Amino acid sequence: GEQVEQRPPHLSVREGDSAFITCTYTDPNSYYFFWYKQEPGASLQLLMKVFSSTEINEGQGFTVLLNKKDKRLSLNLTAAHPGDSAAYFCAVSDRGSALGRLHFGAGTQLIVIP
Amino acid sequence: EAAVTQSPRNKVAVTGGKVTLSCNQTNNHNNMYWYRQDTGHGLRLIHYSYGAGSTEKGDIPDGYKASRPSQENFSLILELATPSQTSVYFCASGDNYEQYFGPGTRLTVL
Repeated sequence: GEQVEQRPPHLSVREGDSAFITCTYTDPNSYYFFWYKQEPGASLQLLMKVFSSTEINEGQGFTVLLNKKDKRLSLNLTAAHPGDSAAYFCAVSDRGSALGRLHFGAGTQLIVIP
Repeated sequence: EAAVTQSPRNKVAVTGGKVTLSCNQTNNHNNMYWYRQDTGHGLRLIHYSYGAGSTEKGDIPDGYKASRPSQENFSLILELATPSQTSVYFCASGDNYEQYFGPGTRLTVL
């Protein structure tokens, strides 16, 4: 089955610096990719959903990169601020997955130092 | 207004006791999911459902049962709770490969 590996497990950056998180996956049929943000004590909030057909996706203060050849999904938080401090999870699903099952990475705990 | 709600939010149970975690969604989604979250593991799928009356095993179903009596409600049942089931449990509803999560239930089994 699908295996999703997320690195690093912990990341500290200074305010204004970039924070880079990467996931690798194993199933070449993977088609949908997600990044979730979880603030302390809170639930998971969907940051971005990307499709296999799009390699670069930009959101509010972040960029998601998809490299299908290397089976790698990345999240780059540009100019991080303390409000970005949270846990971040990638998730992967394939187009044929029954019921849209997601496979999650283990998460990255990000701390942004003021 | 929250579309996925869970109850209780916190629960302390004794080993061998029965625990029922409840989830309600107003998204009118067909699919619902139960996950547990543990440090170093991310979210792991326990059971899921594609509609009222259906339940399917996820990746770690042992020790858990599920019930989907209606479109809106999905319950997770621990018939004989064990300390290894101490965790945070999340319910989600979804369609079109997007999932929306509830606030979570923190379960402690003593």
